[in-house]
Amino acid sequence: EDQVTQSPEALRLQEGESSSLNCSYTVSGLRGLFWYRQDPGKGPEFLFTLYSAGEEKEKERLKATLTKKESFLHITAPKPEDSATYLCAVQADNNDMRFGAGTRLTVKP
Amino acid sequence: GAVVSQHPSRVICKSGTSVKIECRSLDFQATTMFWYRQFPKQSLMLMATSNEGSKATYEQGVEKDKFLINHASLTLSTLTVTSAHPEDSSFYICSAKSMTSYGYTFGSGTRLTVV
Repeated sequence: EDQVTQSPEALRLQEGESSSLNCSYTVSGLRGLFWYRQDPGKGPEFLFTLYSAGEEKEKERLKATLTKKESFLHITAPKPEDSATYLCAVQADNNDMRFGAGTRLTVKP
Repeated sequence: GAVVSQHPSRVICKSGTSVKIECRSLDFQATTMFWYRQFPKQSLMLMATSNEGSKATYEQGVEKDKFLINHASLTLSTLTVTSAHPEDSSFYICSAKSMTSYGYTFGSGTRLTVV
């Protein structure tokens, strides 16, 4: 069965303290791995799509990487406005999308 | 581009009444839209896949007679929660797949409270 596990469940950082969020997955044929940001009471906002192992994408302070078993979302010198829940989702060959439970990131000034 | 508009953002209804939630793709056509439910501090759980011009496909355990989905056009899908009960209170989110590389675009969600 396809599974997506995100860790840690919650992460508290000081402003400027870089860290990484993990998304481990098992899926029968990966079509794509997605990262989203979700603010409280809002729908998820698209960040990245990764399609194959070794791929990396960057956007401002965020960088996403992908291996055959996991993806990392690296946050460099985070700011308080980066506080949100970060969701990882995988799309299998049958087009099914499965979401992880998310990592709640809090960045304190 | 690739904007999905969802309305209403919040709704409070009495037990036994029905509530309709709309999901519109504003600048693209979406032959397929997805409806999710999210409980506090939990992940999105797919409820159903809405296909334009045909019946929706429901996930196991989701009552299709309770959660009516209509996808009558390429830009609009609706979810109607019928005979709502307090346990239906949740955050409902729709999404659609655009033809760009932006993955799945999500609506802003609807907070349903049944009293």
